[in-house]
Amino acid sequence: DIQMTQSPSTLSASVGDRVTITCRASQSMSTWLAWYQQRSGKAPKLLIYQTSSLESGVPSRFSGSGSGTEFTLTISNLQPDDFATYYCQRYKSYSPEWTFGQGTKVEIK
Amino acid sequence: DVQLVQSGAEVKKPGESLKISCKGSGYSFTSYWIAWVRQVPGKGLEWMGVIHPGDSDTRYNPSFQGQATISADKSISTAYLQWSSLKASDTAMYYCARPRVVGVYDAFDLWGQGTMVTVSS
Repeated sequence: DIQMTQSPSTLSASVGDRVTITCRASQSMSTWLAWYQQRSGKAPKLLIYQTSSLESGVPSRFSGSGSGTEFTLTISNLQPDDFATYYCQRYKSYSPEWTFGQGTKVEIK
Repeated sequence: DVQLVQSGAEVKKPGESLKISCKGSGYSFTSYWIAWVRQVPGKGLEWMGVIHPGDSDTRYNPSFQGQATISADKSISTAYLQWSSLKASDTAMYYCARPRVVGVYDAFDLWGQGTMVTVSS
């Protein structure tokens, strides 16, 4: 099974910063990769699907990229609402299997 | 509104049984898969299993096979997650979630609010 590893586990940043979170797969995979934001005490929220497609209603400061074994989520101009935990998720549109990364907490510096 | 509404928090003793629910509304409940996702306090997200309410086709993450049972009642647009004998290690927040595309195992664009299950003697 493909394992997903996020880095860093915790990231300290300030409002206005540009931050990048990396998700690495244990072997090369397709572009079926999503990113979620989870604020404290809330359900996860889909930000990005299929590596780089922005979910409807999500601010354009969120972007995703990558291929093969390395994928990234970038947040430009970090806003107060963005301090949360972010998860990557591998999925296979043709087979029931979803695998999450362990999460990256973005905290205030 | 398109939404998934889950049943309320539960506190149970080890060995007890439990069934929690997830009711869909605002969309064709029988057309989309519904997944269950576990989150142990302070930990990450884990996919447990998925059901297609239209025909009750159910698939489990091998890591969770035998630990809990997923079912659905399409007549009331509700999916369920149940345990016959709870353990302390079942203490977690449980979310139901819907893939974004009909009939496809896609990213989850719709989530329930979560049901906290606490198992303690």
